Amino acid sequence: AQTVTQSQPEMSVQEAETVTLSCTYDTSENNYYLFWYKQPPSRQMILVIRQEAYKQQNATENRFSVNFQKAAKSFSLKISDSQLGDTAMYFCAFMKNNAGNMLTFGGGTRLMVKP
Amino acid sequence: SQTIHQWPATLVQPVGSPLSLECTVEGTSNPNLYWYRQAAGRGLQLLFYSVGIGQISSEVPQNLSASRPQDRQFILSSKKLLLSDSGFYLCAWSVQASYEQYFGPGTRLTVT
Repeated sequence: AQTVTQSQPEMSVQEAETVTLSCTYDTSENNYYLFWYKQPPSRQMILVIRQEAYKQQNATENRFSVNFQKAAKSFSLKISDSQLGDTAMYFCAFMKNNAGNMLTFGGGTRLMVKP
Repeated sequence: SQTIHQWPATLVQPVGSPLSLECTVEGTSNPNLYWYRQAAGRGLQLLFYSVGIGQISSEVPQNLSASRPQDRQFILSSKKLLLSDSGFYLCAWSVQASYEQYFGPGTRLTVT
């Protein structure tokens, strides 16, 4: 079974600064996907960014980028130019490449962006 | 465009009472459907998933069951609620063979 670990329960960052959220995972699979989801106070789960394990290039979506280290089984999220609207819970998630496409989530990191 | 609905949005139920949460998806056919539970301050735990009508897979043995009576309808049920069933329940869907899941607005369940 896969496990996903987020070792930072809470983090804070000043507006306009950069913050990095950590995630490690454990799997014996070679083909899989990794995701970062954002859950603001509204509780709606929003996909922030995804990474295919077979791709060496790190994914980037505007101010969000990842540092994917496959050998180390590490998948961190960097948020640049932090905005107040980035305040939320952030979840790292793993998906095997199979028919069910089920997500395994980490425990989450609560990010507070301070003005 | 596709949309996903969940109801009710909030629910307070006594211990031992039955439960029925409903999730429906519009604008797509034959989706994969998922039920997740989120305990307070925790990550999401997959409870059930379905790849077609009448096809339900359970990930965690528990007091809950799921059914898919129609292609785009997914129901989470319990005959007798426990205090430990309290939490935030999220439904999600994905296109078959796609890696991206889309989540509904969730149902907050409090068992008293």
